Amino acid sequence: EVQLVQSGTEVKKPGESLKISCKASGYKFSDYWIAWVRQKPGKGLEWMGIIYPGDSDITHRPSFQGQVTLSADPSISTAYLQWNSLKASDTGIYYCARLGSYRSGWADYWGQGILVTVSS
Amino acid sequence: QSALTQPASVSGSLGQSIAISCTGTGSDVGGYNFVSWYQQHPGKAPKLLIYDVKTRPSGVSNRFSGSKSGNTASLTISGLQADDEADYFCSSYRTTATLVFGSGTKVTV
Repeated sequence: EVQLVQSGTEVKKPGESLKISCKASGYKFSDYWIAWVRQKPGKGLEWMGIIYPGDSDITHRPSFQGQVTLSADPSISTAYLQWNSLKASDTGIYYCARLGSYRSGWADYWGQGILVTVSS
Repeated sequence: QSALTQPASVSGSLGQSIAISCTGTGSDVGGYNFVSWYQQHPGKAPKLLIYDVKTRPSGVSNRFSGSKSGNTASLTISGLQADDEADYFCSSYRTTATLVFGSGTKVTV
């Protein structure tokens, strides 16, 4: 059974750093792209970027370029999303999802989501 | 980068059929057959309903169907059920190798 299990809720202050994780199981991790999706409170979904764990090829959505870092460790089937300096506007729920197809961009399995709250 | 346009809300009665539109441009919806649809219940992760415009993943009810005409894709839900009350998002591949979601539609039954 394919599963994506994300790390737990985070509460941070502006300016702090953060790295959240997404552990995959039930399939060959290095063979599928992983996407990160943000959902601000009460709002819609936003694709942030995608990473191919097989070779760490990354495509960022332009508005997130330079704001976050995507990485993956195939040895432990885990993808990461990292911030160096959080802002209040980073508050939201962050999902990881497996892309069934890179070009077509459909996500067939999703993590449960991580609530990140950034507040002073 | 602007989102695809969806109606904010659509409502219907039990057993009825409803359609949700997703309007983009020739650089996304109209240019590729790479539209997918997701259902999201409150507090839950999105669930894939349709991909590549009209393909249903295994396990998704055949009450959900997708189509596309020009720059507008549509998701039709037939035989509306109480559990269909949720938010629905479309997504498309966009030129420049990015993905874009729709603005989302709240379905009320």
